[in-house]
Amino acid sequence: KNEVEQSPQNLTAQEGEFITINCSYSVGISALHWLQQHPGGGIVSLFMLSSGKKKHGRLIATINIQEKHSSLHITASHPRDSAVYICAVTGSYQLIWGAGTKLIIKP
Amino acid sequence: DSGVTQTPKHLITATGQRVTLRCSPRSGDLSVYWYQQSLDQGLQFLIQYYNGEERAKGNILERFSAQQFPDLHSELNLSSLELGDSALYFCASSVDGSYYNEQFFGPGTRLTVL
Repeated sequence: KNEVEQSPQNLTAQEGEFITINCSYSVGISALHWLQQHPGGGIVSLFMLSSGKKKHGRLIATINIQEKHSSLHITASHPRDSAVYICAVTGSYQLIWGAGTKLIIKP
Repeated sequence: DSGVTQTPKHLITATGQRVTLRCSPRSGDLSVYWYQQSLDQGLQFLIQYYNGEERAKGNILERFSAQQFPDLHSELNLSSLELGDSALYFCASSVDGSYYNEQFFGPGTRLTVL
């Protein structure tokens, strides 16, 4: 079993839909990162959180430390949100990466 | 633009060859990380340097080596290349060696081994 599991692996939705991507982890962590990888390959850090909730524009990230679970939400999704969303947790000495969720938003 | 630069963008070479990938971190960042992403795979952490010293090692093959120079740029050397080494290689930097800090990613080097 992977230490960081993301679901779903693939998600296709219509423009405007509310999107939720989940990340569960099995190790003790101090922080969790959400990143976005564009179709061209570039990677951008979206959030780093260790408790509660953070919001940036249409993106919201939450974390429940007790349940070892985080969610990334996208409101009013747009085709430009199409990308791979990656969850990574801060382990003992390195980031442990999830496999990513491939999101496609259709116009 | 993250401020992290990587060269070259693309590299095509043959099996058995040796290549060097270069990374310049954001101005002021002391830590550099190298990652490998094979086709349709997740990111695999290879190695981290902090202020010229190796800080952490991940799934880095013995055929691969890296270093960080006094000016903080880093190089990843890949030798005796195999077809399976074809991948995107990302460099990231952060202000210090803590994993609590945001990492800023370069655009990547796409390596193709024929």
